[in-house]
Amino acid sequence: DIVMTQSPDSLAVSLGERATINCKSSQSVLYSSNNKNCLAWYQQKPGQPPKLLIYWASTRESGVPDRFSGSGSGTDFTLTISSLQAEDVAVYFCQQYYSSPQTFGQGTKLEIK
Amino acid sequence: EVQLVESGGGLVKPGGSLRLSCAASGFTFSSYSMNWVRQAPGKGLEWVSSISSSSSYIYYADSVKGRFTISRDNAKKSLYLQMNSLRAEDTAVYYCARGEAVNDYWGQGTLVSVSS
Repeated sequence: DIVMTQSPDSLAVSLGERATINCKSSQSVLYSSNNKNCLAWYQQKPGQPPKLLIYWASTRESGVPDRFSGSGSGTDFTLTISSLQAEDVAVYFCQQYYSSPQTFGQGTKLEIK
Repeated sequence: EVQLVESGGGLVKPGGSLRLSCAASGFTFSSYSMNWVRQAPGKGLEWVSSISSSSSYIYYADSVKGRFTISRDNAKKSLYLQMNSLRAEDTAVYYCARGEAVNDYWGQGTLVSVSS
């Protein structure tokens, strides 16, 4: 199974500042057929199910604010929130879907400083 | 509007059984693969099982293989998870989620507690 490791485990950022979350896979998740990375990001607020934010490592899901962006390739990926808003407080998970079983990172808890 | 509503969770003793259901609406259920993903209290996400749109392809996590059975009824727009020989470590919120690989919609989840 591909192991997904996120860093940091928790993060405190001031309102309006940039938040950066990293995700590393134990092997490449680059799909050669379309040259896209099989990597998604989810946001989970307390008491709610996860919500899809980004797929193919950098494609925002419909309705997701453009302050959320994803980058990276191969084994190293980043979720960036360009200007943190209060409603962004949540746990963020990365997920690889390159090979079965799909696997998730352990999560990064984002709080307001 | 896409909606997924899970039901069937509850408290069960070790070795017992439960059947979870997920009722889908707002999309053509028969066109989509579906997944069960669970989350132990205060923990991360763990994929449990997947089923293709026509039930031709079914997959399980090693942790549940031989104990859990996924199924679907496209006419009823419903997804199921039959859970047998339950263990304490199966305690979690169980979510149904739409998608073959990327889970684009999730239900609110149903809590399964395994305890004597």
